Amino acid sequence: QKEVEQNSGPLSVPEGAIASLNCTYSDRVSQSFFWYRQYSGKSPELIMSIYSNGDKEDGRFTAQLNKASQYVSLLIRDSQPSDSATYLCAVYKNRDDKIIFGKGTRLHILP
Amino acid sequence: EAQVTQNPRYLITVTGKKLTVTCSQNMNHEYMSWYRQDPGLGLRQIYYSMNVEVTDKGDVPEGYKVSRKEKRNFPLILESPSPNQTSLYFCASGPGVNEKLFFGSGTQLSVL
Repeated sequence: QKEVEQNSGPLSVPEGAIASLNCTYSDRVSQSFFWYRQYSGKSPELIMSIYSNGDKEDGRFTAQLNKASQYVSLLIRDSQPSDSATYLCAVYKNRDDKIIFGKGTRLHILP
Repeated sequence: EAQVTQNPRYLITVTGKKLTVTCSQNMNHEYMSWYRQDPGLGLRQIYYSMNVEVTDKGDVPEGYKVSRKEKRNFPLILESPSPNQTSLYFCASGPGVNEKLFFGSGTQLSVL
């Protein structure tokens, strides 16, 4: 099992709909989780971090964490064409003291 | 402005010609790291540094060197570049490994 897994996509979502991006991780003692957005040819930028089970909301973005299922997701409400990008899930592995990135999910918002 | 400055943005070189990619941050971050990004492989860590004079190998360190003589600078050195090092490189920094990472704008390297 890969340490951090994401569906590579592309995930196509109509403008105005909810985009749901998923990520699973293998190390159950991981405690910190991050979502980065990367536009084509640009550098990744952090959009959400989450540390506790449950939901964390920031504007149109909601991160959801379920440690029992080793699952973290990112919801984007009212999707806009500007949300079209690759979304990278990153997990902090406590035992190795390092950040592991998933390969990313390409999101395409259809106008 | 808080930023990670990475240079050059584009670099074309030939096999065996030593090169250095510079990385500098103005946020007084302890942690700095180098990644390469290849299609289908995602971000892979090359080297990282927890503090001045402390560097460690990441997942793909072969063919690369780094140094951390000052807190703000973390250059990536390719002593003898080879075509398989053609990639998009990112430098990143953060207050700690478990915190938000700030990325440089990237260096697209082509080794002919």
